[in-house]
Amino acid sequence: DAGITQSPRHKVTETGTPVTLRCHQTENHRYMYWYRQDPGHGLRLIHYSYGVKDTDKGEVSDGYSVSRSKTEDFLLTLESATSSQTSVYFCAISESEVYYEQYFGPGTRLTVT
Amino acid sequence: GEDVEQSLFLSVREGDSSVINCTYTDSSSTYLYWYKQEPGAGLQLLTYIFSNMDMKQDQRLTVLLNKKDKHLSLRIADTQTGDSAIYFCAERASKIIFGSGTRLSIRP
Repeated sequence: DAGITQSPRHKVTETGTPVTLRCHQTENHRYMYWYRQDPGHGLRLIHYSYGVKDTDKGEVSDGYSVSRSKTEDFLLTLESATSSQTSVYFCAISESEVYYEQYFGPGTRLTVT
Repeated sequence: GEDVEQSLFLSVREGDSSVINCTYTDSSSTYLYWYKQEPGAGLQLLTYIFSNMDMKQDQRLTVLLNKKDKHLSLRIADTQTGDSAIYFCAERASKIIFGSGTRLSIRP
């Protein structure tokens, strides 16, 4: 398995609080991604990174920000969590081309009450 | 806009073949992927096919691509209980779009 960890694995938070999810990789892959998975929607891309300090928006980026200060870490921040952001969040990585052969982390289940 | 459609459920008897179907809309897709998700886990890349190919076989897995109809299928031969999972189809063009997943259940 690709070396991808996500923390925390589970989190319950209240509406309006900030939340940061962390993705850590040991593969030295260039590309990193954050997805959310919701019933009936499959996976939807939130943001992705194509290098340190280089990020771009996906299809559902509103309400989320990201940062990548090191190759191995990609952070997803919900500045003010809302109930609509209750979801399972997956980090993924890929090596050579954007979106090519992505390897996924185990996921973080976030509940916003 | 771009879309990827899959049926939600498939039930197959153990030992039979499973065929999971997917349709997509973006004719500029370069790669098409099949991912497997087991309970509580992330997605695992099973196989992929380049858009200029019609078929790809990898052990028990056969991928068929009909580019004219924008139809992709995954056949799993001799389906086993360990194949129970959700299978996601995805297309890659300028971005990657995932289907909603097909839940495969195995009957004894």
